[in-house]
Amino acid sequence: GQQLNQSPQSMFIQEGEDVSMNCTSSSIFNTWLWYNQDPGEGPVLLIALYKAGELTSNGRLTAQFGITRKDSFLNISASIPSDVGIYFCAGQFGNSGGSNYKLTFGKGTLLTVNP
Amino acid sequence: DSGVTQTPKHLITATGQRVTLRCSPRSGDLSVYWYQQSLDQGLQFLIQYYNGEERAKGNILERFSAQQFPDLHSELNLSSLELGDSALYFCASSAGTSGKFFGPGTRLTVL
Repeated sequence: GQQLNQSPQSMFIQEGEDVSMNCTSSSIFNTWLWYNQDPGEGPVLLIALYKAGELTSNGRLTAQFGITRKDSFLNISASIPSDVGIYFCAGQFGNSGGSNYKLTFGKGTLLTVNP
Repeated sequence: DSGVTQTPKHLITATGQRVTLRCSPRSGDLSVYWYQQSLDQGLQFLIQYYNGEERAKGNILERFSAQQFPDLHSELNLSSLELGDSALYFCASSAGTSGKFFGPGTRLTVL
């Protein structure tokens, strides 16, 4: 089955630093999504990418859909303490006729921001 | 608030029992997805429904089943529960290819 490799597994940074994390896959995806999850809560959608090469920003977050459609990265600029949590990448490969759009998730990157 | 609601928030039950988890998708979303999250397996796709019909199955056990009703809410039924079924169960909804929005989850503890 499809596998997503997400790295790094964890990061400990100082407030104000920039952060970069990435996801690679052995398979092609049509859509890449990035989520953040606080403990005991549901994943919150941060950014959705729909085209190869697409670069999208959401405030201090920027994500890119790799040209090969097998990878994506997420950057967080000027981190703040509330950025803490687990960041998940997710790939989606759906057949447009069948409405089948399940997500395959990476294992997550645990981000800790020291004030 | 994602607009997806799930009940109950917490569920504690015993092995061998059966439980039902409920999900209401965002207004207008026809697709509902169920995911299981455990410490060792991460977020795993279980099953998808689209406008009342099953569309995709993932790693869902035969002891588990789901359905989506005409009002688009969905229920996930877990039976003959085992200790290893303890996990967070999330429902997500979407409109077609758009990003999926997750509910707050149900934490199931099987004792």
